[in-house]
Amino acid sequence: SAVISQKPSRDICQRGTSLTIQCQVDSQVTMMFWYRQQPGQSLTLIATANQGSEATYESGFVIDKFPISRPNLTFSTLTVSNMSPEDSSIYLCSVRTDTNYGYTFGSGTRLTVV
Amino acid sequence: QKEVEQDPGPLSVPEGAIVSLNCTYSNSAFQYFMWYRQYSRKGPELLMYTYSSGNKEDGRFTAQVDKSSKYISLFIRDSQPSDSATYLCATTGGFKTIFGAGTRLFVKA
Repeated sequence: SAVISQKPSRDICQRGTSLTIQCQVDSQVTMMFWYRQQPGQSLTLIATANQGSEATYESGFVIDKFPISRPNLTFSTLTVSNMSPEDSSIYLCSVRTDTNYGYTFGSGTRLTVV
Repeated sequence: QKEVEQDPGPLSVPEGAIVSLNCTYSNSAFQYFMWYRQYSRKGPELLMYTYSSGNKEDGRFTAQVDKSSKYISLFIRDSQPSDSATYLCATTGGFKTIFGAGTRLFVKA
């Protein structure tokens, strides 16, 4: 299965600033997925990133707040813009497993906004 | 009502115990059922997946699905301290995957 490197692993940021999270996969994949995991809550899909096209955002998430880049088949970035304390969460990058019935996840980025 | 419900725990058991982790789901269209294990400061890793109803065994782990009652279970036999983690159930009926919030498990040596 794919190996995903995600960075930074954690960060503490001031409100109003932006943070870009990077995700590198060791193999080419068509789709990459960005999830948010808030304490005590289930994983929530933010958007699906396809190479060569605009990302597809889930209800409640917008491009202005979470712009995504997908420059090639192994790399993607998620930016959390104009951050507020409510954005404090773990952000996870993922790809489909070989079986297509599950996901492989990166180690996550633990973001704290103060 | 959440589409997938999971008791958050924490669940604390002694080493060697049999652990039962459970989820319920609401959408009868879901066909694939998965369990993920998430260690602290790590991303979730796919532990097991099953299709439709029935049991699937992998070593000390058994996944069970009862579609008639919309109930998903994961059993861990001879639990070890290394099993201490958060376990997330998930289900999918196509492109959409719904995750439970996870149950925290502590196995005491």
